[in-house]
Amino acid sequence: DQQVKQNSPSLSVQEGRISILNCDYTNSMFDYFLWYKKYPAEGPTFLISISSIKDKNEDGRFTVFLNKSAKHLSLHIVPSQPGDSAVYFCAASHRNSGNTPLVFGKGTRLSVIA
Amino acid sequence: GAVVSQHPSWVICKSGTSVKIECRSLDFQATTMFWYRQFPKQSLMLMATSNEGSKATYEQGVEKDKFLINHASLTLSTLTVTSAHPEDSSFYICSAPNLIRAEHNSPLHFGNGTRLTVT
Repeated sequence: DQQVKQNSPSLSVQEGRISILNCDYTNSMFDYFLWYKKYPAEGPTFLISISSIKDKNEDGRFTVFLNKSAKHLSLHIVPSQPGDSAVYFCAASHRNSGNTPLVFGKGTRLSVIA
Repeated sequence: GAVVSQHPSWVICKSGTSVKIECRSLDFQATTMFWYRQFPKQSLMLMATSNEGSKATYEQGVEKDKFLINHASLTLSTLTVTSAHPEDSSFYICSAPNLIRAEHNSPLHFGNGTRLTVT
């Protein structure tokens, strides 16, 4: 049973426009959410996170929104750049203790077209 | 720079042989490390949790006798794929929590992964 779902396997966006990547989760115990970016044959690199006590976290061009009642989060990238082209994984854990493994979605491949 | 080093980055082996993958935390101690596996177009699936000084904890469906994990020190965990078969071909990634940095950043740092191909 997939506890973290990314229903869009791919997304194409024009350079300069906004990219919106969506993620849904089913486990109400999750209270910490992260987005990772992954290039082929490399490990994931951390992008941005949000705790369940917040509904928005912003870092430069990246903003993550959390809707707890809907068990939904999204990552907004604006403006999108060709270098943003990668696979984006949504991840969740039930405790931000550092010793808890993350549960990942299947990822969304973002292609930013120049 | 990288805080978790994983080696080798890729390996090709013959069916029936064993392959060892190393995961090192470079500038912090990790009493716990996590091993993930990713098949093409799939999610990163947790295989096992490696614990320094004690036995690893395996996820359901992962054979502990096939995927041997040894967490010999506070900076090194190894995953050995024994008697490898073509269906074991996958991308294996280790990760380690840096509890000092976790408060302000991602709770997990990932290695660059190992691409295993069994022929």
